[in-house]
Amino acid sequence: DAMVIQNPRYQVTQFGKPVTLSCSQTLNHNVMYWYQQKSSQAPKLLFHYYDKDFNNEADTPDNFQSRRPNTSFCFLDIRSPGLGDAAMYLCATSRLEGQGRNEQFFGPGTRLTVL
Amino acid sequence: GDSVTQMEGPVTLSEEAFLTINCTYTATGYPSLFWYVQYPGEGLQLLLKATKADDKGSNKGFEATYRKETTSFHLEKGSVQVSDSAVYFCALYTGANSKLTFGKGITLSVRP
Repeated sequence: DAMVIQNPRYQVTQFGKPVTLSCSQTLNHNVMYWYQQKSSQAPKLLFHYYDKDFNNEADTPDNFQSRRPNTSFCFLDIRSPGLGDAAMYLCATSRLEGQGRNEQFFGPGTRLTVL
Repeated sequence: GDSVTQMEGPVTLSEEAFLTINCTYTATGYPSLFWYVQYPGEGLQLLLKATKADDKGSNKGFEATYRKETTSFHLEKGSVQVSDSAVYFCALYTGANSKLTFGKGITLSVRP
């Protein structure tokens, strides 16, 4: 089945130690999103890619970076995680053309713990 | 700007009870409307959608009708099950900024 895959499902890092979360998709969608979701809150968009065109949200801290080396993969890099960055990180994809456009398909998320 | 307002939660129901979760929105243009469900420890799953006024989205016994006159997209189910226990998010998409605007979400707990 076509899907959005996130690895790992659970990630533990130390305060200030860089960490990378990964997302891959078999849907061949041209848009990929990264969201941060804290407990009992709605997902908050960090940035998204339209193909290779990167779009950063105005309030996304510089500590968060992203890479999209090809259509299928997208990475979230947290350069110096703080305790406040502990959250669920969700990857999503969508396409901008055709039937079902603008629907976002979410991965299962990566739960990040910062010690 | 665009916004989505969901009723305050949490909601606790007995199995087979009727469910209504209110959602209203403010948007420029003509948004597409969505309900997403999030089970514990999981990502969001699209439950249903509607892309234009008077459309009814339906899935797994859940329904919601796009009401432009009341700017609402209320979620209903005639008989809930324990397995429906989850967090439900209403969301809209206008294309103006290429992103979803979510409501705050509401937790539904269904007792046997």
